[in-house]
Amino acid sequence: GDSVTQMEGPVTLSEEAFLTINCTYTATGYPSLFWYVQYPGEGLQLLLKATKADDKGSNKGFEATYRKETTSFHLEKGSVQVSDSAVYFCALSDRGGGSQGNLIFGKGTKLSVKP
Amino acid sequence: DTGVSQDPRHKITKRGQNVTFRCDPISEHNRLYWYRQTLGQGPEFLTYFQNEAQLEKSRLLSDRFSAERPKGSFSTLEIQRTEQGDSAMYLCASSPPTGANTEAFFGQGTRLTVV
Repeated sequence: GDSVTQMEGPVTLSEEAFLTINCTYTATGYPSLFWYVQYPGEGLQLLLKATKADDKGSNKGFEATYRKETTSFHLEKGSVQVSDSAVYFCALSDRGGGSQGNLIFGKGTKLSVKP
Repeated sequence: DTGVSQDPRHKITKRGQNVTFRCDPISEHNRLYWYRQTLGQGPEFLTYFQNEAQLEKSRLLSDRFSAERPKGSFSTLEIQRTEQGDSAMYLCASSPPTGANTEAFFGQGTRLTVV
């Protein structure tokens, strides 16, 4: 069945460092791809999404490009801040049109950014 | 607060007891989802409602689990004869009808501990 694999954490970076969190997926169709973020004590929040190949999702300085040839959706940010410390989840939905129902999540990557 | 609300936030129960959780979705969101998240894992889909109809159930939802959404608004998730393996965070999410923005909004979850 469909699945998502993301790099294991925790990841610890200094402020202003470059961030990459790798995510690859397995799907039989053409899924929509998402990154969710969970800040300490809060619920999951959608960070960005891409619904078709070569789409780039972006939000709050984070970016991820839907790469069908490598089945990847890596999350990047050029300069992280302490406030970016959180757990990041890569997810896919095999429902069409960017629907976020029935999401399949990766295990999550904990990011800690030190001042 | 107009977000997804879950009650209780924490529940400790003895093995064999029944527990019930409640989820109040965002007003006018007709889609409602339940997920389960165990420590170190991403959320796993359990079930999905569109209005009052339960349209999809994961094989993770054993016969000890039952979910309802009787009037198409709030939902309940009941676990009968709880087992230690049921200890997890139970997440509820809601989304609006299919359209340009079908973002799923998550509640903060109910953490269940079975002792």
